[in-house]
Amino acid sequence: AQSVSQHNHHVILSEAASLELGCNYSYGGTVNLFWYVQYPGQHLQLLLKYFSGDPLVKGIKGFEAEFIKSKFSFNLRKPSVQWSDTAEYFCAVNAHGNEKLTFGTGTRLTIIP
Amino acid sequence: GAGVSQSPSNKVTEKGKDVELRCDPISGHTALYWYRQRLGQGLEFLIYFQGNSAPDKSGLPSDRFSAERTGESVSTLTIQRTQQEDSAVYLCASSFLGSPVETQYFGPGTRLLVL
Repeated sequence: AQSVSQHNHHVILSEAASLELGCNYSYGGTVNLFWYVQYPGQHLQLLLKYFSGDPLVKGIKGFEAEFIKSKFSFNLRKPSVQWSDTAEYFCAVNAHGNEKLTFGTGTRLTIIP
Repeated sequence: GAGVSQSPSNKVTEKGKDVELRCDPISGHTALYWYRQRLGQGLEFLIYFQGNSAPDKSGLPSDRFSAERTGESVSTLTIQRTQQEDSAVYLCASSFLGSPVETQYFGPGTRLLVL
């Protein structure tokens, strides 16, 4: 069975700082990888996803993530954060052909204006 | 509707009572999922429906939990004889299995508190 680790539980940054949130997964086969975001009071929504091709994936609101297969990682990055990026971020994985998602425990991001 | 809807948004119940949670998926979505998020934890998969296939119940934590889906529409998650450890946010998601990698769209969740 797959598992997902997000080692940063709470990250606090100032506006304009660069962001990198870690995500590591364990699974021996081919996977699809996702980052979801939950803004305060809102639903979980998809930020970006990777399933094949270019390992550098670009998502909404200036976020990107890089799939490094050798490291089983899919870290989320943003070069310059804004106060509106304050949210909880979840990394998730599913195996090819198995639709159910396995989520990490989430990283709470707080941006200080 | 435009998105996945869930009801009720909040439910407080007493230990031992049964509860029923409802999910209305996005119209046309063939797949429906239930997840649970306990405080300070990630989302746990509970059950998955896809069309007329037998549901994947592998995530249900005990036989007190069950779910049904009518065709490709509404789903109901039932928890019998609730326990305090059932307190959590129950999230429903739906997707359309037609693209290379399907995206699951989540509802707002039902926050369940068992006293």
